[in-house]
Parts: sequence; structure tokens; C-alpha cells
Amino acid sequence: GIQVEQSPPDLILQEGANSTLRCNFSDSVNNLQWFHQNPWGQLINLFYIPSGTKQNGRLSATTVATERYSLLYISSSQTTDSGVYFCAVDPTGANSKLTFGKGITLSVRP
Amino acid sequence: DGGITQSPKYLFRKEGQNVTLSCEQNLNHDAMYWYRQDPGQGLRLIYYSQIVNDFQKGDIAEGYSVSREKKESFPLTVTSAQKNPTAFYLCASSPAGTGRAGELFFGEGSRLTVL
Repeated sequence: GIQVEQSPPDLILQEGANSTLRCNFSDSVNNLQWFHQNPWGQLINLFYIPSGTKQNGRLSATTVATERYSLLYISSSQTTDSGVYFCAVDPTGANSKLTFGKGITLSVRP
Repeated sequence: DGGITQSPKYLFRKEGQNVTLSCEQNLNHDAMYWYRQDPGQGLRLIYYSQIVNDFQKGDIAEGYSVSREKKESFPLTVTSAQKNPTAFYLCASSPAGTGRAGELFFGEGSRLTVL
């Protein structure tokens, strides 16, 4: 099956810093989603982005499907950005099944 | 408000007991999913359903069972056959029901601990 690798596995930032989180995938995909898992465990949708670039406030994401990667940018980080960031892909040919990466744990320090 | 409701949020169970986790959605989504998350790990798919009265095994279906009698509801039963049931269980739904995994929305999760 498709492999989804996220990097770096852990990231520590000082409040106000910028960061880039990466998601690589091993095969072609129909769509890709980024999620933020908050400290209580809930997964919050960030972006549904099969290709191109989207922005939402301090966050933006870019997916280059032909090169099999996606990037999540966090600017001017805040302590509330802490948590785990997951990317999930819907592989071409698979039937309604998203495959998740192992996540990136982000800690933003005041 | 539209959303996905999981209950209970916390559940303790003795070994050998079956337990059912509830998942209800009022988003009018066709597809529903159950995932399991272990500490420090990603999400693994247990079961999914694209339409009422139909469901498919995911990657780790052994020891679990589901039903989809109504569009809004997709309960998960963790049976005594599941060897390591202590985990965080997440239910999700998606508007896509025709073979593609559309945009997924998650409930708040249910944390099961087997004593």
C-alpha cells in the first residue's frame, strides 16, 4: 500500500517563529488532508488540498501531487498551535480509504 | 449545530466484556469510518461504510464489529476477541459515498481502557 512519511517527527518552536511541516507519499493520490490533533485528542480539519495552495489565516498548505509531497506552513506560531499534525491521503485506486502518516508533534513555547 | 457525536468519551471495561461505542452524525454524510489510535501513533482504519446497510473491513478489523442500519449512526462493538482493546477510538464521516474518500470530519473520540 501507499507509504506516507511526515517530517520532522518532532518540532519545538519559540512563540512567533515560522515552521514548515512536510508530508511525502509514495504513490499518486486523489486528495490529501491536513489535520491538527489538539491536546484533548480531537482532530481538526486544516486543509483539504489535492493540489495547489490554500491559505487560512496564519496557516497555508501546498500540495505538489506530481512530485508526491505536501507542505504545511505555520507563520507567527502561537502556543495554541501545539499538538500533533497529521496528513492523510486518498490513494488513486483505493476505495474510500484514507491513509494517515504518523504525525508531527509540535510544541510552541511561550 | 451540525457535527459528529461520540459517546461515551471515557469507558472502562473488564477483560472479556464486549463494549459498544456510539457514533452519530447530523451532517447528512454518506460515508462513516472508525479509526483506532494508540499512543504516539497515527490512525488505523477499523471499518468503514459508504452507504446504509453496507460496510467494509479496514486494516485492523479483527475483534471488532459494526452496523449501519441508519445513515446517521455507525456504532462500533469492541468484542472480547480483540486482544489489545485499550486505545483511543475516533469516528469520522465524509460526504463522499461513491468510492472516494472525500473530506473527512471527526468526532471528539472515545477513550477505552480495559482493566
